[in-house]
Amino acid sequence: DAGVTQSPTHLIKTRGQQVTLRCSPKSGHDTVSWYQQALGQGPQFIFQYYEEEERQRGNFPDRFSGHQFPNYSSELNVNALLLGDSALYLCASSFSSSVETQYFGPGTRLLVL
Amino acid sequence: GESVGLHLPTLSVQEGDNSIINCAYSNSASDYFIWYKQESGKGPQFIIDIRSNMDKRQGQRVTVLLNKTVKHLSLQIAATQPGDSAVYFCAENIEGGWSGQNFVFGPGTRLSVLP
Repeated sequence: DAGVTQSPTHLIKTRGQQVTLRCSPKSGHDTVSWYQQALGQGPQFIFQYYEEEERQRGNFPDRFSGHQFPNYSSELNVNALLLGDSALYLCASSFSSSVETQYFGPGTRLLVL
Repeated sequence: GESVGLHLPTLSVQEGDNSIINCAYSNSASDYFIWYKQESGKGPQFIIDIRSNMDKRQGQRVTVLLNKTVKHLSLQIAATQPGDSAVYFCAENIEGGWSGQNFVFGPGTRLSVLP
């Protein structure tokens, strides 16, 4: 079992650009949550996808959007990048939205210049 | 590997000693708590959880204590090993039932194990 995988591992963008991050959940999991982790802070919840729909959303602007595919994999899209979007983006998968079964991926480090 | 955080509170302990990592949580209505371990270059890893109807829960080499009166959570690691070096986060579910926007992580503590 490969666990939760994310791609790419690192990414450098410039302000105003758009970025797409990808996540494949752990085998048997149907729910994907995305978190933003700024340097020196704990992860902050962005949104959660279940049955290909956004079910929960944290306090993030509409520039942050996502998608879940029939195979449960997910994408996080960020438009009009700002310097403050530089962070580690974590994907976590779980079964039926259960936080107890949530497994995190290694993250994608995004640097916005 | 990449650094999780550069200016986190740091706890340094000698190998073999016990470690105690503390966390003050924000909401008296929080009913579920998780401790995570995050090593450099990795995502957070579940260590142990506890529900608000319990005061103590033990795992393998780890114990979580919950004091609801003062809204305090602690993680005790017995016989700390070099592999325990990481950043530790507590997370609370601030309302009943799993709801993503209500699952809040604390700022984290870096544990450094000295040889």
